[in-house]
Amino acid sequence: DVKVTQSSRYLVKRTGEKVFLECVQDMDHENMFWYRQDPGLGLRLIYFSYDVKMKEKGDIPEGYSVSREKKERFSLILESASTNQTSMYLCASSFGGKQYFGPGTRLTVT
Amino acid sequence: GENVEQHPSTLSVQEGDSAVIKCTYSDSASNYFPWYKQELGKGPQLIIDIRSNVGEKKDQRIAVTLNKTAKHFSLHITETQPEDSAVYFCAASSENNNDMRFGAGTRLTVKP
Repeated sequence: DVKVTQSSRYLVKRTGEKVFLECVQDMDHENMFWYRQDPGLGLRLIYFSYDVKMKEKGDIPEGYSVSREKKERFSLILESASTNQTSMYLCASSFGGKQYFGPGTRLTVT
Repeated sequence: GENVEQHPSTLSVQEGDSAVIKCTYSDSASNYFPWYKQELGKGPQLIIDIRSNVGEKKDQRIAVTLNKTAKHFSLHITETQPEDSAVYFCAASSENNNDMRFGAGTRLTVKP
């Protein structure tokens, strides 16, 4: 079974803090993704990566950056957290078109 | 870019009844259409998918139909059970998968 893990299930941060969300997959997948999930909006793509050190912006990259130094790990960085970044963050990896999701990190910015 | 619309946003059925969730997409280049189930506190899980070269696919109580001409696809769940209660998402993407777009989700409640 594909396993995608995320470093935290719940996270509370203060406005202006730098926040790191980590994602690890164990299936040697090339592609990895970061989404945010908000009620009524579904999943919106923040960034994706198709190889180590490669990244592409998704639909809502503003306020976020990413890092992929190793194939199995894809990190999402909030340089200066703001309250409108309070959300559920989902990481996924994919192979053959099928995306496999982690359990999500619920981030609250106060 | 692709735009996926999903209806209804909420659906309540009695145990044993059927449930149908419908999605439309805008980009005729899309050719891969997965459905995800998200239970409370978990990430979305792929439950069934269909590619554009087929019109229907079935897996036990779950089936998906695709009408490429009309650009819509549907999820059908028969003989619903309380454990089917969850949020369901449809999605559409082209072959490279990096452009997958999701519907807003349907919260299905199956009443015992």
